[in-house]
Amino acid sequence: AQSVTQLGSHVSVSEGALVLLRCNYSSSVPPYLFWYVQYPNQGLQLLLKYTTGATLVKGINGFEAEFKKSETSFHLTKPSAHMSDAAEYFCAVSGGRDDKIIFGKGTRLHILP
Amino acid sequence: GAVVSQHPSRVICKSGTSVKIECRSLDFQATTMFWYRQFPKQSLMLMATSNEGSKATYEQGVEKDKFLINHASLTLSTLTVTSAHPEDSSFYICSARDPRRGYGYTFGSGTRLTVV
Repeated sequence: AQSVTQLGSHVSVSEGALVLLRCNYSSSVPPYLFWYVQYPNQGLQLLLKYTTGATLVKGINGFEAEFKKSETSFHLTKPSAHMSDAAEYFCAVSGGRDDKIIFGKGTRLHILP
Repeated sequence: GAVVSQHPSRVICKSGTSVKIECRSLDFQATTMFWYRQFPKQSLMLMATSNEGSKATYEQGVEKDKFLINHASLTLSTLTVTSAHPEDSSFYICSARDPRRGYGYTFGSGTRLTVV
């Protein structure tokens, strides 16, 4: 079984500052890991995903995440926050290519001017 | 590519009536689709896995007689909320995987259901 824990339901950063959203996972099999972003009353947009291979994954809008097996983590980062980054971010895990995706509880990112 | 269309985007219905939500993969065939439910300011909870040509697999605690799922073709899955009650009001989102594009799922834009 898979599960995801996102640390911090709300994170506030200043515009231009580093964004760090934390995610730890639990999986009985090699995980596939995802970060999604959701804007109000909208569906989900995939930011990036890790399946196999390189542990540092680059995504859209300047985001990246690093898979650390020893720490069971998949934290999301962005060097410089932009106002448009304000949204809800979900970390998710899957047990395989055709497996269902399980979501964390989400982190609301606030960008301070 | 890999577009998933969900319809309607918003629906208001009266208690006791049924509502059908459609999820279509527009440019690919999806043997499997997933249905999620999201309460305000909360995460997405997987309700069921919809399999083309067979019965859906429901997550624990989800009433299969209340949330009817039909996946009659490779491009369409429907979720019917039967005898809706105000507590069924929620945001429902479907997703599907394009097998041509490797891993990762595409999500529909969601359906806001309000039961009055």
